[in-house]
Amino acid sequence: QVQLVQSGAEVKKPGASVKVSCKTSGYTFTGYFMHWVRQAPGQGVEWMGWINPKSGDTNYARKFRGRVTMTRDTSITTAYMELSRLTFDDTAVYYCAREGDKTPAMLYWGQGTLATVSS
Amino acid sequence: EIVLTQSPGTLSLSPGDRATLSCRASQTVSNNYLAWYQQKPGQAPSLLISGASSRATGIPDRFSGSGSGTDFTLTISRLEPEDFAMYFCQQYGSSLWTFGQGTKVEIK
Repeated sequence: QVQLVQSGAEVKKPGASVKVSCKTSGYTFTGYFMHWVRQAPGQGVEWMGWINPKSGDTNYARKFRGRVTMTRDTSITTAYMELSRLTFDDTAVYYCAREGDKTPAMLYWGQGTLATVSS
Repeated sequence: EIVLTQSPGTLSLSPGDRATLSCRASQTVSNNYLAWYQQKPGQAPSLLISGASSRATGIPDRFSGSGSGTDFTLTISRLEPEDFAMYFCQQYGSSLWTFGQGTKVEIK
C-alpha cells in the first residue's frame, strides 16, 4: 500500500532553514508528482508547490519562490522540502501529498511535520 | 493565480440534515479540475471529490460534487456524525494550485 512517512517535528530560530523529508513506499516513486502543502495553526491549507520525482522539475507557488527548494533522492524514494529564511509566520504543519492514479488531485498524504519557529 | 472563495465560513447543522457548501473561483477552472477535501482535527486532509464530481474510492454516495466554470458545490445529502469537519476546495486546473479558506460543518 502507498505510504508517505515524514520526518519528525522541528524547532528553528528566525532566519534559519528547515528541511522536511517524505519517505515513500508501496509504489513507483518516479511515476507520480509529489506536492507540498502547509497549514498554520488554526488556519487553512496552503499549496507550496510540486516536484516531478522522475525529472526533478519543480513548480513553486509564487509566495514561496526564492525561499523553497524541493528535491528528491530516487535511490531512497524520498522527497524533501526545504524552506529558508524562516519567520514566525512559517510555523505550520507541513505535508507531502501524492497525486492519485486517476486524478492529479492529492490522494495520498503524509502524516505531517510540525515546524515551529521560535526565538 | 486563481482565488477560491468558500461559503459559508461555518455551517451549523444537525445529523440527518443536508449540507450545501459553495466554492467560487475568481477565474474559470480549467477542465473543471476542482477537488474537495475533508479534514478532521489532528489529521491530514482527505480527498473526497476530484474533477468537480468524481468521488474518490471509498467515499460514500451521500457526498456529491457539482458545478463548472467558476461555481462549484459540495453536497452532503444526510449528515452522519463523522461528517462534522472542515472542508476545503482546491483547484488544479492552472499551473499554480490554490485552496479555498475552508468551511467548517459543526453540530448545531
